[in-house]
Amino acid sequence: DAKTTQPPSMDCAEGRAANLPCNHSTISGNEYVYWYRQIHSQGPQYIIHGLKNNETNEMASLIITEDRKSSTLILPHATLRDTAVYYCIVDQTGANNLFFGTGTRLTVIP
Amino acid sequence: GAVVSQHPSRVICKSGTSVKIECRSLDFQATTMFWYRQFPKQSLMLMATSNEGSKATYEQGVEKDKFLINHASLTLSTLTVTSAHPEDSSFYICSARRGTYGYTFGSGTRLTVV
Repeated sequence: DAKTTQPPSMDCAEGRAANLPCNHSTISGNEYVYWYRQIHSQGPQYIIHGLKNNETNEMASLIITEDRKSSTLILPHATLRDTAVYYCIVDQTGANNLFFGTGTRLTVIP
Repeated sequence: GAVVSQHPSRVICKSGTSVKIECRSLDFQATTMFWYRQFPKQSLMLMATSNEGSKATYEQGVEKDKFLINHASLTLSTLTVTSAHPEDSSFYICSARRGTYGYTFGSGTRLTVV
């Protein structure tokens, strides 16, 4: 069962930062927060993941609250190609399942 | 980075026939692979977990005799949709886990049963 809650849709102006929130209030201590995105008719693409510290890579930044009950994915300068459905998933290392919630459909507007 | 190759990307088959979809991990060994199904405008639904050298584990409501999974090697899992019907038309996606790096997904297979 999905353990996360995300807004169904968001818009963002091209060139601006896109901030995508995720609630995971039932997360347990050994569960990571993963973010994936899916562009239409393609397989999901890994973006970033973290346990409790904030993380940054070439694609995005992940901000996890101190109590770990929520997180925010930040795309610092959104482009039209960032239009996709973004999924926030909590996953226990070693567990053999990965359940997707409904995700957030991000539309980047020119 | 970890790459999972899925083939074919699209397939159209007649009702009653069977279709095989392949999922390969190209640069790592995957003892476990996962199969998902996605209907239009819906999220991915986990169908089954494929274990190398043993039987697959199916999620509740997924017919194991209809969706045959074989994971004969550490780099290949196959999903066969047997006696396909139009309601089996969907987007099928496989994935594999690579340690703590998370899951890598195939590009998906669009199955259309006519």
